[in-house]
Amino acid sequence: DSGVTQTPKHLITATGQRVTLRCSPRSGDLSVYWYQQSLDQGLQFLIQYYNGEERAKGNILERFSAQQFPDLHSELNLSSLELGDSALYFCASSVGPELGTKRNTIYFGEGSWLTVV
Amino acid sequence: QKEVEQDPGPLSVPEGAIVSLNCTYSNSAFQYFMWYRQYSRKGPELLMYTYSSGNKEDGRFTAQVDKSSKYISLFIRDSQPSDSATYLCAMSDAGGTSYGKLTFGQGTILTVHP
Repeated sequence: DSGVTQTPKHLITATGQRVTLRCSPRSGDLSVYWYQQSLDQGLQFLIQYYNGEERAKGNILERFSAQQFPDLHSELNLSSLELGDSALYFCASSVGPELGTKRNTIYFGEGSWLTVV
Repeated sequence: QKEVEQDPGPLSVPEGAIVSLNCTYSNSAFQYFMWYRQYSRKGPELLMYTYSSGNKEDGRFTAQVDKSSKYISLFIRDSQPSDSATYLCAMSDAGGTSYGKLTFGQGTILTVHP
């Protein structure tokens, strides 16, 4: 158990709908990351928050948005869903904002399986 | 061309074999190299972490980084059926503009049969 908690574990929804994925980081971690894993693209970095502020952005679609709350939990909002959005969405956390030491490597949650039908 | 290339396999070996997993990369700014193991339908878990070139050993696992060739390897000695999983290499330039972004390889599916 990495200590990163994600809900829901599985989600099935229809095209055009909106969903929210939730993440609680490990105790003491201030950085939260969101990754998308699909069969064809592998693990892709979406976005990073550090202590409530956006820190880095990857190939995140405009239909997707995220935020980190004062209690450090984070939510990833996916809207106008398409079939191609079906994937495993991982949240990860680390102590600080930048990778560079083993202490600040990232730890992944179990993921949220999203199926868009 | 992807920044990180990893042969997806699948790779099937008998129990006790030495396994070699590899990744190549194109971004010379990468300085931090990691190997993650991912069991089916689970989150990736960190196995090895290496900074810059060189070798690092941890039990049955050895990670090697050759920055001049832009090539990293993970060796698993005395492989066990419990090692059956997908192995992902990951890299970061950390101090650059990517901050906490990890760039992953596609993952290699490994099966160790008894």
